[in-house]
Amino acid sequence: EIVLTQSPGTLSLSPGEGASLSCRASQFFSSDYLAWYQQRPGQAPRLLIYASSTRATGIPDRFRGSASGTDFTLTISRLEPEDFAVYYCQQYGNSPFTFGGGTKVEIK
Amino acid sequence: EVQLVESGGGLVQPGGSLIFSCAASGFTFSSYAMSWVRQAPGKGLEWVSSISGSGGSTYYADSVKGRFTVSRDNSKNTLYLQMNSLRAEDTAIYYCAKSNTRRAFSYFDPWGQGTQVTVSS
Repeated sequence: EIVLTQSPGTLSLSPGEGASLSCRASQFFSSDYLAWYQQRPGQAPRLLIYASSTRATGIPDRFRGSASGTDFTLTISRLEPEDFAVYYCQQYGNSPFTFGGGTKVEIK
Repeated sequence: EVQLVESGGGLVQPGGSLIFSCAASGFTFSSYAMSWVRQAPGKGLEWVSSISGSGGSTYYADSVKGRFTVSRDNSKNTLYLQMNSLRAEDTAIYYCAKSNTRRAFSYFDPWGQGTQVTVSS
């Protein structure tokens, strides 16, 4: 099973600041199979990024995904009020299709 | 517009059974794999099960293998999750989600609104 470790657990930032969220895998897999999701309180998760760096339909370009080996990063360039949420990474190349534990981006 | 509407949640006793349904619309259901993901209260996301577009391939998390069964009726555009031998740790919101391909090896987009199951005596 591929374990995804997200860090930090919580990011406290102000609107307008940038955020960098990390997702580290326990073993190598193709970067074609890594997704990021956003979950706002009381809502279902929403796809942000797939294949490590491709934005889903309707996702603003302030969200950027990147990959290097077993390290994956979600960068939010300028936080808008609606971006304060929990973010999860997920690998879908190997069953079980595991999620990371999540990073909460909260308002400072 | 793709819509996924789950139903079937509720309160069930430990050891009991429950079946969830996920009614899909807005796309050719049989052309896409589907999945179930759950979220325990205050916790993160946990993948539960996936099924290919044809229904011929199924995948399960170890935590539910042998107790849960995923299935689909492509004539009714509906996904199912039969849950048996329920435990307190199965208490969660269960989401259904659409994959991007017929095969299960795909990201999930979109997700349904979720249905809650509480396992308690």
